[in-house]
Amino acid sequence: ETGVTQSPTHLIKTRGQQVTLRCSSQSGHNTVSWYQQALGQGPQFIFQYYREEENGRGNFPPRFSGLQFPNYSSELNVNALELDDSALYLCASSLIMWGGTNEQFFGPGTRLTVL
Amino acid sequence: DAKTTQPPSMDCAEGRAANLPCNHSTISGNEYVYWYRQIHSQGPQYIIHGLKNNETNEMASLIITEDRKSSTLILPHATLRDTAVYYCIVCGSGNTGKLIFGQGTTLQVKP
Repeated sequence: ETGVTQSPTHLIKTRGQQVTLRCSSQSGHNTVSWYQQALGQGPQFIFQYYREEENGRGNFPPRFSGLQFPNYSSELNVNALELDDSALYLCASSLIMWGGTNEQFFGPGTRLTVL
Repeated sequence: DAKTTQPPSMDCAEGRAANLPCNHSTISGNEYVYWYRQIHSQGPQYIIHGLKNNETNEMASLIITEDRKSSTLILPHATLRDTAVYYCIVCGSGNTGKLIFGQGTTLQVKP
């Protein structure tokens, strides 16, 4: 069973640029969630994708957008990067079954630095 | 905001049991208690979850009080590799994928 993978592991961008982060879900999972973790803080929920549709969003502006593909892999896109976007971006996959619990399995994260 | 309260830090001697408390006094009837941990520079790792009964797996035990307003995660024989930030999270069942992380408890296991 393959776990959740993310790419790249590290990335440096400048303010105003755009970035795309990628995530491959754990085999058999149908849902991907993205989190932002600033230094010294707990992860903050950005959004979740279920069957290629956005299924919940946290308090993040529209310049944070995402995609989920038929193979359940996912992308997180951030436009017009700001210095405060510097953080660890975590992807988590899960198998959502209505009325059931959904343990989320996290990837190692992508460390984004905005200069 | 997180619906849980945890102590910011705890120490534990290697080989002893680590008992990590969590208060969740506003938990709803259909909400589960989840525990995750995050070892430095890694993604969070799922540990265990429960609704109202005590639960045990290969990693830990979860004790939930009868009124469900608090719980304790027990690592029966802590090792140095258990040093991490431990997060207690309350989350509804089904399609709610939004895990709300608080500050967690930093557990330091000492030799």
